[in-house]
Amino acid sequence: VTQNPRYLITVTGKKLTVTCSQNMNHEYMSWYRQDPGLGLRLIYFSYDVKMKEKGDIPEGYSVSREKKERFSLILESASTNQTSMYLCASSLIDLTYEQYFGPGTRLTVT
Amino acid sequence: GENVEQHPSTLSVQEGDSAVIKCTYSDSASNYFPWYKQELGKGPQLIIDIRSNVGEKKDQRIAVTLNKTAKHFSLHITETQPEDSAVYFCAAGPGGGSYIPTFGRGTSLIVHP
Repeated sequence: VTQNPRYLITVTGKKLTVTCSQNMNHEYMSWYRQDPGLGLRLIYFSYDVKMKEKGDIPEGYSVSREKKERFSLILESASTNQTSMYLCASSLIDLTYEQYFGPGTRLTVT
Repeated sequence: GENVEQHPSTLSVQEGDSAVIKCTYSDSASNYFPWYKQELGKGPQLIIDIRSNVGEKKDQRIAVTLNKTAKHFSLHITETQPEDSAVYFCAAGPGGGSYIPTFGRGTSLIVHP
């Protein structure tokens, strides 16, 4: 699982997109947010290109599953409280099976 | 929704000692309990998981135990090594296609040589 970019610095109000790619033919892909002391929180997940579902913290985010291999996280108008580490994951069947995580994207919004 | 509590937040042990990390969950419908290890600068990696139809699972130096009555599960690492130093996360959630895992807050394990 790869993520691009790995590091991103932007200003409030800007639109940005973080892209995740996997080459394992996995059906499910997910976006998590990781903050110190809060663990991992699910933002959105997707099954193939047909379905996407909200996770625990979808507010302020949207997603796009352009094709089975690629899942993008979109911040339409970045805010400082979205400064965080973002992790993408993929899994073969559903989220009750092993999730393979990418290395993360560190986002700073000033 | 599900609530997962993980303790301790930091665990420091000497090489060769055992380490135990505990998680409790609130939703009795939860039936899948994975443990992930995250090394510095990397994404989490699954190290072991357990489903509600078994009480214990082992893989070499790592074991997980599940007590459904008490709604808690634990990760046991024996004969710890410096390379076990990492952040460990537990998770829980009900099964099925709409499973959304709830993660614990993480435990930073430090193994001193």
